[in-house]
Amino acid sequence: DVKVTQSSRYLVKRTGEKVFLECVQDMDHENMFWYRQDPGLGLRLIYFSYDVKMKEKGDIPEGYSVSREKKERFSLILESASTNQTSMYLCASSLWVGRAQRSSYNEQFFGPGTRLTVL
Amino acid sequence: KNEVEQSPQNLTAQEGEFITINCSYSVGISALHWLQQHPGGGIVSLFMLSSGKKKHGRLIATINIQEKHSSLHITASHPRDSAVYICAVFKRTSYDKVIFGPGTSLSVIP
Repeated sequence: DVKVTQSSRYLVKRTGEKVFLECVQDMDHENMFWYRQDPGLGLRLIYFSYDVKMKEKGDIPEGYSVSREKKERFSLILESASTNQTSMYLCASSLWVGRAQRSSYNEQFFGPGTRLTVL
Repeated sequence: KNEVEQSPQNLTAQEGEFITINCSYSVGISALHWLQQHPGGGIVSLFMLSSGKKKHGRLIATINIQEKHSSLHITASHPRDSAVYICAVFKRTSYDKVIFGPGTSLSVIP
């Protein structure tokens, strides 16, 4: 079974703090993703990475940065947390399309989520 | 207009009822993904499909590529089916980015 783990299930931080959210996958997946999920808005892509040290902006990258120093680990960083970053954060991973079998084409596997509250 | 839409937004059903959740999209896709999210956050993959129909237990997913529409059916619904069901499409022009629908919140009452 694919296992995607996230460093915390619940996190409470103060405005202005630097926040690190970490995601680890154990299936040698090339692609890793960070999403945030808000009521009525669904899942929105923040950043993704298709290889070590590579990153691409998603739909809402402002206020966030990411780091991928090792293939299995993808970190999301809130440089200076703000109250509008209170949300559920979900990490996912998938095989690079070049390696994916047709039956599991780009299927994304999700972590359990981190519910972040910024006070 | 959102590229992926789902209906209904919320659904309450009695245990045992047949349930249908719809997903329509406006872009060319390579595949479509149905996901289930239980209270607490974790998301589980139900189906990946690019044509036809797939069945797993009491769940059936169908897709009509020409009509840009997919349905998720639950037969003999049970309270443990209560969850948010999310439709996601893999846009043909973008290999690894996915567009998610807003989700359908299902509550099955005993």
